[in-house]
Amino acid sequence: SAVISQKPSRDICQRGTSLTIQCQVDSQVTMMFWYRQQPGQSLTLIATANQGSEATYESGFVIDKFPISRPNLTFSTLTVSNMSPEDSSIYLCSAQDRVSDTQYFGPGTRLTVL
Amino acid sequence: RKEVEQDPGPFNVPEGATVAFNCTYSNSASQSFFWYRQDCRKEPKLLMSVYSSGNEDGRFTAQLNRASQYISLLIRDSKLSDSATYLCVVKETTGGFKTIFGAGTRLFVKA
Repeated sequence: SAVISQKPSRDICQRGTSLTIQCQVDSQVTMMFWYRQQPGQSLTLIATANQGSEATYESGFVIDKFPISRPNLTFSTLTVSNMSPEDSSIYLCSAQDRVSDTQYFGPGTRLTVL
Repeated sequence: RKEVEQDPGPFNVPEGATVAFNCTYSNSASQSFFWYRQDCRKEPKLLMSVYSSGNEDGRFTAQLNRASQYISLLIRDSKLSDSATYLCVVKETTGGFKTIFGAGTRLFVKA
């Protein structure tokens, strides 16, 4: 299995600022993803983080707002840019285990934008 | 029609009860199926994979009906600790890799 850590675990930010969330996996994984989850709602995929190339974004999400990096197989960052209160959510990093093909999740980053 | 549909619940059951959750998916070419569990304010965690032949893990039984595009999860002898949201997850590989999460079914087990 893959163990995923994220930081920060939570943050409170002012509108107009940006926050970068880091995700570290303890083993090499095939794919890494970033999700958003509003309270009481299901997961929404933001993008697939591709190693060494631009992320693949889902409909409704753009690189300028959510720039993503994945410099190697075990690390990725998601930046939430020019934040507004509507960006308040839990952001979850996820990775697919190379061996079992199972998808695991990090503990999430709880973001509140004032 | 949503790609993965679940009854949102909530299901309120007493300890010891048997409860069943259902899930339907729209893409007949879907390849892999899973049930995840998500506790309040926690990340989703894999509960079990779902195989065509059906599979059991202790008090939990998962079944897949490809003809009806239907997945189920049965929990026997419910415990208080089973209270959580259960997410139905479907993986598609046609046209590229894609994982689709259902909105989840909430379960409350009461003493």
